[in-house]
Amino acid sequence: QKEVEQNSGPLSVPEGAIASLNCTYSDRGSQSFFWYRQYSGKSPELIMSIYSNGDKEDGRFTAQLNKASQYVSLLIRDSQPSDSATYLCAVSGGSYIPTFGRGTSLIVHP
Amino acid sequence: EAGVTQFPSHSVIEKGQTVTLRCDPISGHDNLYWYRRVMGKEIKFLLHFVKESKQDESGMPNNRFLAERTGGTYSTLKVQPAELEDSGVYFCASSQSENVPLHFGNGTRLTVT
Repeated sequence: QKEVEQNSGPLSVPEGAIASLNCTYSDRGSQSFFWYRQYSGKSPELIMSIYSNGDKEDGRFTAQLNKASQYVSLLIRDSQPSDSATYLCAVSGGSYIPTFGRGTSLIVHP
Repeated sequence: EAGVTQFPSHSVIEKGQTVTLRCDPISGHDNLYWYRRVMGKEIKFLLHFVKESKQDESGMPNNRFLAERTGGTYSTLKVQPAELEDSGVYFCASSQSENVPLHFGNGTRLTVT
């Protein structure tokens, strides 16, 4: 069974710090990796997608993928209180059906 | 562009009753997915439509759940009869093609009492 593991948190960081969110997955055939952000009571919204090993940067967000270690992470630089949310890692393989982790709750305190 | 819309946003029903959830995907999105989040657990896949065809329904928990997508536009998910363990948030998502990020609706929070 394909699994995606995330630490549920909460991860608490001060405003302005770097938040590091981690995700591991079990299926070595996984090809696509996504990070979604979900505010309470709202829909998950895409933050980043990454498909090949290495880093991908978009503004304050950097996704890092290491397929050999089956590990994907999301770094948020200069964290803001508005970044406080649950971050969901999703992984898909040959079937293209994303499998989600439980999500990590991030709290950015002023 | 209108996003994915789901109705109702909340539903409270008694055990044994029937509930029908509706999802309107983004116009032009052939791929439509249903997911469910039970409290404290991860968002779990239920099924995937490509247009009006069920591509993968391996996540459907049992035959009390019936999903349809007549005409390849909106989709409905019927639970009949509802059980207590069916409580959770049901998300619908759509995408233009496979292996691309999904666009999610706000979900329907179902409470079975």
